[in-house]
Amino acid sequence: KAGVTQTPRYLIKTRGQQVTLSCSPISGHRSVSWYQQTPGQGLQFLFEYFSETQRNKGNFPGRFSGRQFSNSRSEMNVSTLELGDSALYLCASSLVASRRTGELFFGEGSRLTVL
Amino acid sequence: QQQVKQSPQSLIVQKGGISIINCAYENTAFDYFPWYQQFPGKGPALLIAIRPDVSEKKEGRFTISFNKSAKQFSLHIMDSQPGDSATYFCAATGYGGSQGNLIFGKGTKLSVKP
Repeated sequence: KAGVTQTPRYLIKTRGQQVTLSCSPISGHRSVSWYQQTPGQGLQFLFEYFSETQRNKGNFPGRFSGRQFSNSRSEMNVSTLELGDSALYLCASSLVASRRTGELFFGEGSRLTVL
Repeated sequence: QQQVKQSPQSLIVQKGGISIINCAYENTAFDYFPWYQQFPGKGPALLIAIRPDVSEKKEGRFTISFNKSAKQFSLHIMDSQPGDSATYFCAATGYGGSQGNLIFGKGTKLSVKP
């Protein structure tokens, strides 16, 4: 069974640009969550989607947005990039809304560098 | 109230020794406490998890001890091996919590020396 696939794995952007990251969950998983991982702040929850609806959102500015498609694939977008947005962005999928079980299956992440 | 505090930040253990990582939480609505293991260049992977109705859960060399009254839980790795060298994250979530997703500790980087 294929795991969670994230693309691209690495990307470099400049301040002010925008970026879109993609996530394909494990087949059959309907919930997709996004996390930002940085050395200083650790893993921070961005948002969670279930059946194309945003279920929860973390404490991030409105520049961070996401969506989920009918096939459960998800994208997140960061507009007007700032240096502080440099991070590893992790996507995780689960069978049900993650708050029910906490069992998240993570991808390997998209490493974003903002110059 | 939404924080999970994890310690130590880093840990060095000799092969065969016991690794102990501690976490504390405040939100009594938390009812699920997983531990994740992350190797460099990889995403975190679920290692073991516990619910507050039990005080201990063991899976192979990994044991979670849970103290509901103290709002603390810990991971014990028995007979630690070099292959256990990774970053470990404790987490918490609760169906009734204001944030419906995992709250992670800051992580513990474990190095097991041969």
